[in-house]
Amino acid sequence: GENVEQHPSTLSVQEGDSAVIKCTYSDSASNYFPWYKQELGKRPQLIIDIRSNVGEKKDQRIAVTLNKTAKHFSLHITETQPEDSAVYFCAASGYGQNFVFGPGTRLSVLP
Amino acid sequence: KAGVTQTPRYLIKTRGQQVTLSCSPISGHRSVSWYQQTPGQGLQFLFEYFSETQRNKGNFPGRFSGRQFSNSRSEMNVSTLELGDSALYLCASSLGRDTYEQYFGPGTRLTVT
Repeated sequence: GENVEQHPSTLSVQEGDSAVIKCTYSDSASNYFPWYKQELGKRPQLIIDIRSNVGEKKDQRIAVTLNKTAKHFSLHITETQPEDSAVYFCAASGYGQNFVFGPGTRLSVLP
Repeated sequence: KAGVTQTPRYLIKTRGQQVTLSCSPISGHRSVSWYQQTPGQGLQFLFEYFSETQRNKGNFPGRFSGRQFSNSRSEMNVSTLELGDSALYLCASSLGRDTYEQYFGPGTRLTVT
């Protein structure tokens, strides 16, 4: 079955700097890769996603890149702000398959 | 549209008891997935229902079961509770079939004593 690894497990950046979180997956049949942000005590929120027919997607300060050959995808957050502090989860899925989540990255943006 | 809702939000049960959790998906969504979230194990997939049929199942014992009703609302049942079942149980809904985007509910915090 699918296995998703995520690095780093914790990440601290200064406000205004960029943050990058990387995930790898094992199943070449996976074709959908979402990222979720979970603030303390709240539900995971879908912040951006990418499908396997696209190499990069941007939404304001957030971008996701996908390398199908290497089976890895990354979340990039630019100009980080204190409100970006949260746990970020990547996931992989394919048609008819369940989501497999990475273990999460705790991002702290220091003022 | 209203988001995904879950009831109850908090539960305290004793070992050996059983519990039923409920999830109401976003209107029009036909797929409901359930996850267990614990600090040590992250988000673990339990099962997914689409049009009242279980479409996928994770690696959990048979004590964990679920069902989906014709209005897409879903319930999850855990029988013979164990201390290790203490967790946040999240459900997520999606349109289903060819769409993937899943939206999570607020979760039910289950504590087993």
